[in-house]
This record gives sequence, structure tokens and C-alpha cells, in this order.
Amino acid sequence: GAVVSQHPSRVICKSGTSVKIECRSLDFQATTMFWYRQFPKKSLMLMATSNEGSKATYEQGVEKDKFLINHASLTLSTLTVTSAHPEDSSFYICSAWGTGTSGGAPYNEQFFGPGTRLTVL
Amino acid sequence: AQSVTQLGSHVSVSEGALVLLRCNYSSSVPPYLFWYVQYPNQGLQLLLKYTSAATLVKGINGFEAEFKKSETSFHLTKPSAHMSDAAEYFCAVSNSGNTPLVFGKGTRLSVIA
Repeated sequence: GAVVSQHPSRVICKSGTSVKIECRSLDFQATTMFWYRQFPKKSLMLMATSNEGSKATYEQGVEKDKFLINHASLTLSTLTVTSAHPEDSSFYICSAWGTGTSGGAPYNEQFFGPGTRLTVL
Repeated sequence: AQSVTQLGSHVSVSEGALVLLRCNYSSSVPPYLFWYVQYPNQGLQLLLKYTSAATLVKGINGFEAEFKKSETSFHLTKPSAHMSDAAEYFCAVSNSGNTPLVFGKGTRLSVIA
């Protein structure tokens, strides 16, 4: 249980185009999801917090008009990189906060997706 | 604000030797602490977590970590390194289950045959 998927796993696009990345909680409902970005050989930096049914909260320095986040359901959040440029090339990872039981044991934690590698040419 | 400091961006050990990856945290509230491993071009895999229960936490693949409040530390150890342990390791802290994680800069572990 408690699996988070991301689609696509890899995407290559041309500069100026938009790319949508999906983050799904497969077997639990997630009212809160987080989007992180990881540059090569660097750590993960929080981009935004996505709450179902409301506007995302962006971290300082993250352009909300460039990185559009939509959390329309309890199992899906999307990140759209608009007018992508080569400097947007990065590894994008989402996490979903879930509560419940797994194997009889309660959990209250975040589960990470496998990540999406975006390359903008 | 919370923060995590991982001492040593690169640690190299011999196969079979002790692995020690250091993590110190700063938090104004009782923290949730995590260790993740990341293999090249892959996502994060949770090794273990501390959420205010036992201070010595056992994780997967033989790893364990001890929460020491007096030292604000959560160092990761493994008695005997295996070649497959070579990866990037991240320590992270959060306030609770539904708040974002703050990650350290990571420590790359190399295992020498």
C-alpha cells in the first residue's frame, strides 16, 4: 500500500513548449502533496505545497506562473512547466501525505514518487 | 526554521567496514527525522524514520540510526558495508507527517572492494 506514481518518468521537450507532470496516490487519498526539484548532484528543494481544492503555496523564488500546480482530486496533482527553457531541466519529485493502516500498522507520513526527469532542448 | 547539516559530501569505506553518515538537525519543535537513499537516476527510497518513538531506529538493508536530542544528531550507521550500498544518502527533517521535508545536501557513499 501507500504507493505514489509519477508520469512521465522521462520527458524531453523543445524550448518554449509546456510539459505536464502527473503525481498520483494509487491506494490512498492525499489532501496534501508536495513538489520538489533536484538539480544534478544536488539536494531536493521544495517548490510548492499542493492542497486539494485550493491554490498551491509556492516557496520563495518559485514562479507560480511558470510552474502551474493543480490538485483537482484527492489522488492527483499536476505540475505544468510552462514555456520551458533549458534551465528548467531537472529532476522533479512529488510526495503525497497519507494516513491509514498498512499491514495493520498505522501510518501518517509522506510517500515519494519515483521522479520525472525533464530535459529541455 | 528547520535545517539539516550532513557532514561530509563524500564518504568512502571499504567493503565490510563500518558505515557512518552524519546528520545534525535544527528544529524548534520535536522533529520527525528521515534517511533516504537515492541510486543514480532513481527516486528516493526511505531507509528509516524517527517519529518520537524509540530513539534507536532500525531500517532496511541493515541500516540503523540513533536520535540523540542532546546532540541534535541522527547519524546513520551500518556495521558492514556492501558494494550495493554505494549511493547518495539524504537526511531530512519535518515537523510532522503532513509538512514538507527539509533535506540535507546529501552524502555520496562509495564502497571500495
